Amino acid sequence: DTGVSQDPRHKITKRGQNVTFRCDPISEHNRLYWYRQTLGQGPEFLTYFQNEAQLEKSRLLSDRFSAERPKGSFSTLEIQRTEQGDSAMYLCASSFSRAIYFGEGSWLTVV
Amino acid sequence: QQQVKQSPQSLIVQKGGISIINCAYENTAFDYFPWYQQFPGKGPALLIAIRPDVSEKKEGRFTISFNKSAKQFSLHIMDSQPGDSATYFCAASMLGQGAQKLVFGQGTRLTINP
Repeated sequence: DTGVSQDPRHKITKRGQNVTFRCDPISEHNRLYWYRQTLGQGPEFLTYFQNEAQLEKSRLLSDRFSAERPKGSFSTLEIQRTEQGDSAMYLCASSFSRAIYFGEGSWLTVV
Repeated sequence: QQQVKQSPQSLIVQKGGISIINCAYENTAFDYFPWYQQFPGKGPALLIAIRPDVSEKKEGRFTISFNKSAKQFSLHIMDSQPGDSATYFCAASMLGQGAQKLVFGQGTRLTINP
């Protein structure tokens, strides 16, 4: 499978715990994005990497959220001190040109 | 100005019929308009995309019509099939110094009745 890969697909965590999601983009895609999607809504942009540089962060990305893309390959999104409002699907996407391809998403439920 | 408005919110079409979903935007700097198909529990899948220098693009049963002056674009699904039942999102983006951020519409839940 050469698509965008995300892990884990589902995560249930208690409020206050930290969680980390991993994304493996399509190989040779130099741009990587994180989006968040809640039920019944379209995805919302969180952050963007070009190679290993994080070039833009949305105001939605509070201080509890951090994303990295070491060596410009895979990326991780960490949420510290999770809150119930963080419950959503976290989508990773990658691109080389204008076409942006999404992974299957990582569902987070905070209880 | 960054919003993309999508309608209808839900749509029911008989098998073999034409499904039409509409989107409107305000920001004239948008220059790329993709449509995504999303099945429950899955990520959005890129379906078809258009740039404003053309008025129509067709790929198989899927056609995008684009009206630059009205700042509107639409997705037409010909010969709709039960397997097309999904949520469809229009989106828009622009090139700039920062990320090519996609701004999504609110989505349309399409149901194709057999």
